[in-house]
Amino acid sequence: GQQVMQIPQYQHVQEGEDFTTYCNSSTTLSNIQWYKQRPGGHPVFLIQLVKSGEVKKQKRLTFQFGEAKKNSSLHITATQTTDVGTYFCAALVRNKFYFGSGTKLNVKP
Amino acid sequence: NAGVTQTPKFQVLKTGQSMTLQCAQDMNHNSMYWYRQDPGMGLRLIYYSASEGTTDKGEVPNGYNVSRLNKREFSLRLESAAPSQTSVYFCASTGLEEAFFGQGTRLTVV
Repeated sequence: GQQVMQIPQYQHVQEGEDFTTYCNSSTTLSNIQWYKQRPGGHPVFLIQLVKSGEVKKQKRLTFQFGEAKKNSSLHITATQTTDVGTYFCAALVRNKFYFGSGTKLNVKP
Repeated sequence: NAGVTQTPKFQVLKTGQSMTLQCAQDMNHNSMYWYRQDPGMGLRLIYYSASEGTTDKGEVPNGYNVSRLNKREFSLRLESAAPSQTSVYFCASTGLEEAFFGQGTRLTVV
């Protein structure tokens, strides 16, 4: 079964609006990673979170790891058309890398 | 540095045909993976290899076999292709932190 659950599956926003995707696991994770896949491309690593409650920022992107290390979120402030793509969370579970189902973001100009 | 190289990029198979997807990485990574990506399903793990000569099943291994003959290469074989195996296949390798992906293989089984 799915090791990490991700919601929503799709999100359509107007350029300038914010966007958030959520990732949840039933087990405590050692770390969580986030990837972005542009249309027609392959997933590309964005960031890794390791510590409980950790928050990291990359320009307009804010990543959080929950206190219990079972959930994580990616928030994009003031989306741009360049943010279009699918965002995946990923976690190492029993030495294997599992990915969430992804959130496909569409940004209307 | 090429990173992770996958071949072929596109393939059309008839039901029942066999083929092997090739993957090679030049980053000296121990761990390598094969995923399939279907709409709404995200990336599902087919097989995993922690090191040369070892392989382990992932979430959806049925209908596939893999081979890790050396540290660089990890191949995925479809012995008898079925339409349900129409998908985009990605190979990946991991070092200490992030996963690096190949460009993907778009496979259609008719």
